[in-house]
Amino acid sequence: DAGVTQSPTHLIKTRGQHVTLRCSPISGHKSVSWYQQVLGQGPQFIFQYYEKEERGRGNFPDRFSARQFPNYSSELNVNALLLGDSALYLCASSLAGGDRTQYFGPGTRLLVL
Amino acid sequence: DAKTTQPNSMESNEEEPVHLPCNHSTISGTDYIHWYRQLPSQGPEYVIHGLTSNVNNRMASLAIAEDRKSSTLILHRATLRDAAVYYCILSNPSYSGAGSYQLTFGKGTKLSVIP
Repeated sequence: DAGVTQSPTHLIKTRGQHVTLRCSPISGHKSVSWYQQVLGQGPQFIFQYYEKEERGRGNFPDRFSARQFPNYSSELNVNALLLGDSALYLCASSLAGGDRTQYFGPGTRLLVL
Repeated sequence: DAKTTQPNSMESNEEEPVHLPCNHSTISGTDYIHWYRQLPSQGPEYVIHGLTSNVNNRMASLAIAEDRKSSTLILHRATLRDAAVYYCILSNPSYSGAGSYQLTFGKGTKLSVIP
């Protein structure tokens, strides 16, 4: 079975630009979470979506937004990119919003110049 | 959020058991203890989780102290492929509302395996 897939794998943007990152969960999983991992740190929670509704939000500015589609795939959008947004963005899926096991994708590495 | 404390790094010889400690003295009665690991250039990978009793699976064992203020992840025979950062995480399923559950990662323990 395919695991969590993310696209693109790498991305280079300049300050002020907008970026959209995509995630496809494991088949049958209805919950998707997004995390940001800055070099040398553990992942930080950004959003969780379950059944197309936002169920959790971390301490990130409004420049970060996300949505979940009817097929349970998800997009993370970041507006007005800053240098500090350079990071590995991870998507994780789980069977249900309260499921204790999350399965992570390989991530999208974003570099903001 | 309840926090965890782990050593920054540990070393192990290949094919020897590894015991990775985690302190969580402020754990609440409903917090589960999770372990994930992250291999270089990959996303985190679920290892094991438990509430009160010791747990075993094909990857590892989780030993939970009777007072639940600490736990130990046990890799029975370390291989070179086990070299990774290991994260000990507490979760409460009621956080942020019904059906919501997030993982709060620390810096983890970087495990090096010596051939």
